[in-house]
Amino acid sequence: NAGVTQTPKFRVLKTGQSMTLLCAQDMNHEYMYWYRQDPGMGLRLIHYSVGEGTTAKGEVPDGYNVSRLKKQNFLLGLESAAPSQTSVYFCASAKTRANTGELFFGEGSRLTVL
Amino acid sequence: SQKIEQNSEALNIQEGKTATLTCNYTNYSPAYLQWYRQDPGRGPVFLLLIRENEKEKRKERLKVTFDTTLKQSLFHITASQPADSATYLCALRSGYSTLTFGKGTMLLVSP
Repeated sequence: NAGVTQTPKFRVLKTGQSMTLLCAQDMNHEYMYWYRQDPGMGLRLIHYSVGEGTTAKGEVPDGYNVSRLKKQNFLLGLESAAPSQTSVYFCASAKTRANTGELFFGEGSRLTVL
Repeated sequence: SQKIEQNSEALNIQEGKTATLTCNYTNYSPAYLQWYRQDPGRGPVFLLLIRENEKEKRKERLKVTFDTTLKQSLFHITASQPADSATYLCALRSGYSTLTFGKGTMLLVSP
């Protein structure tokens, strides 16, 4: 029962470097989401996907790109990392639309950009 | 603009008492409202979902109310225990398939 798995769990980057966060779910869920969580800001939606091959922008998409080539995986990319992207990133998946059923979250990926 | 407000101050209560957390919202017409629990260093975990036509929902020691006139949800934990200490998040529909979260309220239950 892995659920939602995020890799890596921790990463330190220098400004301008690129990286990809991987989210994998084994529940055959259609919907997948990337949130970031910052102190005092709560969870904010970056990008989401309503099915394989689809992506859409959330509340704070700038500086990030995503891909959903396989139903079980949702990748979040940072092309040129900035200190403002220092955050904890959470991936979530849902069987139905997020607002009608529960979201299953991963354990988070803590990213520091120096 | 749309807003979800949860008390930013931590709620401190004694073991055995009932904890009541508040979620207020503006400029939403949510059909559903959800509550999640988040422990330090962990991802949020779903607790309860309540529909707009349900005034109250219960699950074990948890009770949620949803007043669409007041635009408010109350989350109650009865007979609270130290293990209930966590941050509790409410969440509302913000788009066809997206969910927006409040900033959460930390609950501290002391023995």
